[in-house]
Amino acid sequence: SQQGEEDPQALSIQEGENATMNCSYKTSINNLQWYRQNSGRGLVHLILIRSNEREKHSGRLRVTLDTSKKSSSLLITASRAADTASYFCATSNAGKSTFGDGTTLTVKP
Amino acid sequence: KAGVTQTPRYLIKTRGQQVTLSCSPISGHRSVSWYQQTPGQGLQFLFEYFSETQRNKGNFPGRFSGRQFSNSRSEMNVSTLELGDSALYLCASSLGQVSSYEQYFGPGTRLTVT
Repeated sequence: SQQGEEDPQALSIQEGENATMNCSYKTSINNLQWYRQNSGRGLVHLILIRSNEREKHSGRLRVTLDTSKKSSSLLITASRAADTASYFCATSNAGKSTFGDGTTLTVKP
Repeated sequence: KAGVTQTPRYLIKTRGQQVTLSCSPISGHRSVSWYQQTPGQGLQFLFEYFSETQRNKGNFPGRFSGRQFSNSRSEMNVSTLELGDSALYLCASSLGQVSSYEQYFGPGTRLTVT
């Protein structure tokens, strides 16, 4: 089974609202990364957070990591229609990168 | 800098044939990883190459193999193709091993096995 599991599987919001998606994993990790995938641009790296970090920001993105709960969250603030995509978390451990099944985000204009 | 390039972008093969996919990483990147993406199984790790050596391997049969050249370019080979091998094959490059660095993905090769 996949190491990372995203929740929810699908999320639909209005433009301007915030979107939060969660990722849970099972074993210890070196780092956790979030990616976005849409048909136009393929799989794009968003942010990397290391196991000794608790929070990182990049533009409208905020990622938290709780290693005690083995979970991470991705917050997208002030969402735009262009944020419509699938979002994946990927955990790295022992040299292997394992992706979750993704959250499909739809932002309605 | 140019991004990760993969060739070919689309491929149609028949069962039993073999196929070779190519990946050119971002200049200066020494690690190349390969993934298979299907609607049913999602994104699954195939293997990672770093400095011409396979560093890690996922849970795929021996029909799936790869190699990396001295210029960091990588090829992936699938022999004796099966219908279930139909998938999007993604290549990702990073500065170092994936345990420490972010990965940058290519557009993928869409393989259809008939």
